[in-house]
Amino acid sequence: QKEVEQNSGPLSVPEGAIASLNCTYSDRGSQSFFWYRQYSGKSPELIMSIYSNGDKEDGRFTAQLNKASQYVSLLIRDSQPSDSATYLCAGDYKLSFGAGTTVTVRA
Amino acid sequence: DGGITQSPKYLFRKEGQNVTLSCEQNLNHDAMYWYRQDPGQGLRLIYYSQIVNDFQKGDIAEGYSVSREKKESFPLTVTSAQKNPTAFYLCASTQLANTGELFFGEGSRLTVL
Repeated sequence: QKEVEQNSGPLSVPEGAIASLNCTYSDRGSQSFFWYRQYSGKSPELIMSIYSNGDKEDGRFTAQLNKASQYVSLLIRDSQPSDSATYLCAGDYKLSFGAGTTVTVRA
Repeated sequence: DGGITQSPKYLFRKEGQNVTLSCEQNLNHDAMYWYRQDPGQGLRLIYYSQIVNDFQKGDIAEGYSVSREKKESFPLTVTSAQKNPTAFYLCASTQLANTGELFFGEGSRLTVL
């Protein structure tokens, strides 16, 4: 089993809607989680870090960590076409990355 | 400006040749990492180094080698033993080891002809 898994397929949302991305993890050791955004052909960039249970908001982005259920989520509110990218979830244990979820925001 | 520089951005190799990808950082970061990304997939860890003159294998180290002679530099050699080397290679660094706040270079795209 991979340390971090993102099983959702491509996500298409209309402009202005909320995009919801999920990530689950095994219990092998990650305590902190990170969301990266990767535009096509580019390298990933860190957009959110979450270190404790609960929600963390930064602008239009909200990260949620639920350690009891072992999942991490990212909400993108008021989605914009510029949010169209692949979003990667990572845990700090061995810096393991999920496969990513590709988001397309339709204008 | 501080950052991570990878070179070359694009590289073509014939089968059976070794190639070395360069990664240099001027962020004064202790830890450096090499990842491989295949189309439609996430990042897989090849090697990482937390201090100079020390490095550890990641999940897919077979067919690759690294060195860490200087804090700023962490070159990756893709050897002829790597069976499917065509991929996008990403170098990253972080100030403290075992934190997930990585800074990435722009990547090197290797194609084997």
